[in-house]
Amino acid sequence: DQQVKQNSPSLSVQEGRISILNCDYTNSMFDYFLWYKKYPAEGPTFLISISSIKDKNEDGRFTVFLNKSAKHLSLHIVPSQPGDSAVYFCAASATNFGNEKLTFGTGTRLTIIP
Amino acid sequence: KAGVTQTPRYLIKTRGQQVTLSCSPISGHRSVSWYQQTPGQGLQFLFEYFSETQRNKGNFPGRFSGRQFSNSRSEMNVSTLELGDSALYLCASSDSITYEQYFGPGTRLTVT
Repeated sequence: DQQVKQNSPSLSVQEGRISILNCDYTNSMFDYFLWYKKYPAEGPTFLISISSIKDKNEDGRFTVFLNKSAKHLSLHIVPSQPGDSAVYFCAASATNFGNEKLTFGTGTRLTIIP
Repeated sequence: KAGVTQTPRYLIKTRGQQVTLSCSPISGHRSVSWYQQTPGQGLQFLFEYFSETQRNKGNFPGRFSGRQFSNSRSEMNVSTLELGDSALYLCASSDSITYEQYFGPGTRLTVT
């Protein structure tokens, strides 16, 4: 049972435009969400996170939006740069239970076209 | 601060052997989690240790085990290796306050 889903395996965006990556979850116990960027043969790099008590969090070019009623979150990257080309994973955890286990989506490969 | 380090970076083993992987967390982080990444299954949670105690465990067979030392360093052991254990094994550490986990570069294990 895939509790965190990223339905778009790949996405191509022109340099300078906005990249929007989407993620859906099914487990209502999840209360903390994170986005990671990953290059091949390297560990994921933490980008940004959001608690379920918020609906938006910004950090520079990265903004994460959370819609709890729809169980949906999205990552916006503005403006997109060539160095943003990577695989992006969303992850979720149920911290209420002292639980640091991260459940990951299957990833979206983002390609920024110069 | 130094990041999460993992050793070795690459490992080749034969079916039936056992292997031990090591992880040193970011200084001050007391929680260490292990994940397995394969092309077919994605990133899967193995287990989490906090203050030398296993706090959470994923759905992996008992051949996968781990431990954490008093300095928060952690080791993961896989016994009786199978071909399907070939994967990138990732370690992540957290301060357990922000719930943000920071990953190491991983150990690429190949079982032949």
